[in-house]
Amino acid sequence: SQTIHQWPATLVQPVGSPLSLECTVEGTSNPNLYWYRQAAGRGLQLLFYSVGIGQISSEVPQNLSASRPQDRQFILSSKKLLLSDSGFYLCAWSTSAGLRTDTQYFGPGTRLTVL
Amino acid sequence: AQSVTQLGSHVSVSEGALVLLRCNYSSSVPPYLFWYVQYPNQGLQLLLKYTSAATLVKGINGFEAEFKKSETSFHLTKPSAHMSDAAEYFCAVSTNTGGFKTIFGAGTRLFVKA
Repeated sequence: SQTIHQWPATLVQPVGSPLSLECTVEGTSNPNLYWYRQAAGRGLQLLFYSVGIGQISSEVPQNLSASRPQDRQFILSSKKLLLSDSGFYLCAWSTSAGLRTDTQYFGPGTRLTVL
Repeated sequence: AQSVTQLGSHVSVSEGALVLLRCNYSSSVPPYLFWYVQYPNQGLQLLLKYTSAATLVKGINGFEAEFKKSETSFHLTKPSAHMSDAAEYFCAVSTNTGGFKTIFGAGTRLFVKA
């Protein structure tokens, strides 16, 4: 069966510090991968998605970046965190049903607090 | 372009009462539609999905949703609420334009009163 892991589970970082969040998927090959952010009281904001190694699409201009160095590894990074980067970060994977995305499977999330 | 609107950011029901969470979508092509549930400090998990088969879709935990093309709706229902149903619920539509993305609604938080 497929599983998705995220770490760390929680993180408290000072403003201006770097960030690296990691997501890995097991039990599937060539998944589509996604990074979302949930700010307090808000819905899901898609940050990045990837359909293959080294292929990253950015949805929102910001100081975050994403990389996919391996088929089942997706990394979210920042060189300098802002207060507004605080939130709950979710990684997800899916297969594609033709040209559309089928069910997305979410990781447990990382709670990031920037102070 | 596809979009999703969830009516009501908060819904409160009594235990044992009907749960009705509303979702309307916009799509220029036959949509894939989903309902996800999120418990506090967890990721989302799939409740049910519509992918152009039966219009009445049954999901986990006694939830079901009906796809109504004429009303562009995909409302989520459960006949009898349980305390454990308290969570946030997201309606979503899968798009086939602009990449492999899913558009999520803003979410509806369900409160269940004893």
